[in-house]
Amino acid sequence: DAGVIQSPRHEVTEMGQEVTLRCKPISGHNSLFWYRQTMMRGLELLIYFNNNVPIDDSGMPEDRFSAKMPNASFSTLKIQPSEPRDSAVYFCASSPDSSYGYTFGSGTRLTVV
Amino acid sequence: SQQGEEDPQALSIQEGENATMNCSYKTSINNLQWYRQNSGRGLVHLILIRSNEREKHSGRLRVTLDTSKKSSSLLITASRAADTASYFCATNSGGYQKVTFGIGTKLQVIP
Repeated sequence: DAGVIQSPRHEVTEMGQEVTLRCKPISGHNSLFWYRQTMMRGLELLIYFNNNVPIDDSGMPEDRFSAKMPNASFSTLKIQPSEPRDSAVYFCASSPDSSYGYTFGSGTRLTVV
Repeated sequence: SQQGEEDPQALSIQEGENATMNCSYKTSINNLQWYRQNSGRGLVHLILIRSNEREKHSGRLRVTLDTSKKSSSLLITASRAADTASYFCATNSGGYQKVTFGIGTKLQVIP
């Protein structure tokens, strides 16, 4: 099992550009979560999906952020247009159900200049 | 918003000593989880304790849960330099599967 796979590992982009982060969850896990981690705010849940359906997107900062899960093996988090304050490490995690913990990916470090 | 709050925020101990970290939370929970994060890495799940459990062990880890005080503790016995990391508690509550993370305790184990 390769675990949760995120790409890219690092992304540097200019303000105003579109950024797409990608995640492949563990096969058989029916829930997928996107988190953002910064020194100031810690780990924040952005959105989570259950069986490919968005359940709670109350953590998505604003309309510039969108997330999709077209099938059980792939999810994207898109920021358009990006701003310097979006700079953070973005983590994807998956879980089989609420009786288990999460498996996290290695994260994408995003820098918006 | 942060549900769990870890205490202390930073802890430095000598190799071989025990490390204790505490977590307090505000609302009733289904379960509480502890995670470790090494610098520059993703979080790794350590242990999950359900609301009807009071203590759980996994190797050198011991977790306790006191729902009346809304608190949990993580004990790492016989610490090693490799235990140096940040440790987070996370709570699951309500009918959803999502968990809310605390701000973490940064543990340094000095060889």
